[in-house]
This record gives sequence, structure tokens and C-alpha cells, in this order.
Amino acid sequence: SQQGEEDPQALSIQEGENATMNCSYKTSINNLQWYRQNSGRGLVHLILIRSNEREKHSGRLRVTLDTSKKSSSLLITASRAADTASYFCATVVYWKSGNTPLVFGKGTRLSVIA
Amino acid sequence: EAQVTQNPRYLITVTGKKLTVTCSQNMNHEYMSWYRQDPGLGLRQIYYSMNVEVTDKGDVPEGYKVSRKEKRNFPLILESPSPNQTSLYFCASSLTGAIGSPLHFGNGTRLTVT
Repeated sequence: SQQGEEDPQALSIQEGENATMNCSYKTSINNLQWYRQNSGRGLVHLILIRSNEREKHSGRLRVTLDTSKKSSSLLITASRAADTASYFCATVVYWKSGNTPLVFGKGTRLSVIA
Repeated sequence: EAQVTQNPRYLITVTGKKLTVTCSQNMNHEYMSWYRQDPGLGLRQIYYSMNVEVTDKGDVPEGYKVSRKEKRNFPLILESPSPNQTSLYFCASSLTGAIGSPLHFGNGTRLTVT
């Protein structure tokens, strides 16, 4: 039951450049979340954007949401080597017996080269 | 420090030998969940719990059991592990089971079943 699909699958940039990752989803959502995963570690929640919001900022992160196109983007400005990680978008696909399973995409692997 | 703790971090076992992966959170979260992460398949939900003594199946529950006798603990039990359960497992929790409540993840358990 894949919902979000990140694009590109992998991205390699130089330190100081901006990184943009996109997420497309299939069904209506309540909110969309972005997570970061350092190699082999647990995911870390970055930002949540609700369906009635169009843009949200958190430090060097900027997230946009276009519900008409069923897509979101994550922009990391002035990237650093420490930003090297996989980035996942996650959405709630359905409401079942009170469960709110966050369904994750397959992620974008970002490499920031110093 | 607020965290989700999983143990063990790495586990190698043989087919059919029962095992338990422990998960504990110290944030008084109501909602807890188990995911497995496999290359090309992303994260998939195994089981979840909305609160003590309340558990339900996720997308891929076959071959797994869980229990929630205390709020802080949510162990994952493999009664008879098989090689197709070789995977990276994550426990996660959130304050409530409300729609899209951000998840806090443990650092993962890498399980190999031979």
C-alpha cells in the first residue's frame, strides 16, 4: 500500500548548495510529514504540514504542499555534509479501527559532498 | 533523555528459534508501532497499539506477535522465525494515535535468520 513516492531516488550535491526532494501521493491526506534517516539508524521527524497549509519553514528546511497536484517538496538550503541521509515523506492512507498508519515512501538518498 | 529504546541492536538466529525484540519508551506515549524496513519496499507496519492492552495488525503481521501489558513496553515476538523475516526492525511511538501524530523511532534491530 505504497502511498508516497519520493523523487529523485538519489541526489548528490556540493556542500552549500540547495537540495530539493519531491513527494507525490495518491489519496487525500490529513497531513504529510518528512523524516530523515541516517544510515541504518531510526527515522527522525523533521516537519509536518497539514492539508490546509501551503508552506512551512523550520530552520534550513522549507516544505511546500500542493494538494491539487498531490505533491510536496522538501528544500534544504545551504546543505552541509551532516545533511547526508535518506529523506522520507509519510502520509496517513486511511483510518482503520482507530489506526493511523503512517505510510512511508521509499525515500531519497541525499549525499552532500564537502 | 526522551527516547525509544530497542534491544538488541543486532541479532542472528536460526530458523524456528523463538525470539523477542524489546521496545521501551520513556515519554508516556499512548501509541506504539513496529515497522520493518526492506530494500526496495520501504517501511511497512507490522503491528500497532493504541494503548495498554489494545493491539492490532498492520500491513504485514504474519509471523509476528506483540503484547502491550504496560504503557512503556511493546515487545515484538517471532515464535518461529523464518529467513524471510530477515530485516531491519523499528519500534516507534507517538503521544497519541491521532491522525498523523509524529512518530519517535528507536535505533533499529537488524535481524538475520539463517
